[in-house]
Amino acid sequence: QLQLQESGPGLVKPSETLSLTCTVSGGSINSYFYYWGWIRQPPGKGLEWIGNIYYNGNTYYNPSLKSRVTISVDTSKDQFSLNLNSVTAADAAVYYCGSTTLTINGAFDIWGQGTMVTVSS
Amino acid sequence: EIVLTQSPGTLSLSPGERATLSCRASQSVSSNYLAWYQQRPGQAPRLLIYGASSRATGIPDRFSGSGSGTDFTLTISRLDPEDFAVYYCQQYGRSPDTFGQGTKLEIK
Repeated sequence: QLQLQESGPGLVKPSETLSLTCTVSGGSINSYFYYWGWIRQPPGKGLEWIGNIYYNGNTYYNPSLKSRVTISVDTSKDQFSLNLNSVTAADAAVYYCGSTTLTINGAFDIWGQGTMVTVSS
Repeated sequence: EIVLTQSPGTLSLSPGERATLSCRASQSVSSNYLAWYQQRPGQAPRLLIYGASSRATGIPDRFSGSGSGTDFTLTISRLDPEDFAVYYCQQYGRSPDTFGQGTKLEIK
């Protein structure tokens, strides 16, 4: 059973870079069958898709964040990562990593538990 | 981007009743790539329905999805106490993926 776990700092200063990692267990991140994504949820608000990365390294980002976001994969560690630079208070949210399969093709059927990131000096 | 509008914002029902949740898209959703999620307080969303009408693994058959094009519906045939939560729709047919604002299903 595939499982995901987010990790990273819970507090980031304004204008700095938010960096989170999602560790994959119970499956291989290098499998063509899965692809991976990040979603966030500001406190008390709805869900926002950040972007996806495929097994071949191709990435797709939300245009609203594209200039600030990078998603990458480290196959040696079965991890994928999110970097969001120049953060502001508007980036404070619970950040989730998720996975989907070629069968489901974009709906996230596996989610991490989420990690809260606060932006404050 | 495709804007998803969910209605109603809040739905008050009793256990055992039938719930009907709506998700309307600003443009046609490609290949009916429309999903529904349930989110309980303090938890990650859980995938219920994908492809507009396919139940995800382990989802009870009281949950069903229907619709095509721009109008989609999630139906819960008989509400169980554990079903009271927030429900989101998502379209993943055209980038960027987008989510609706959510419908809160509360106990009457």
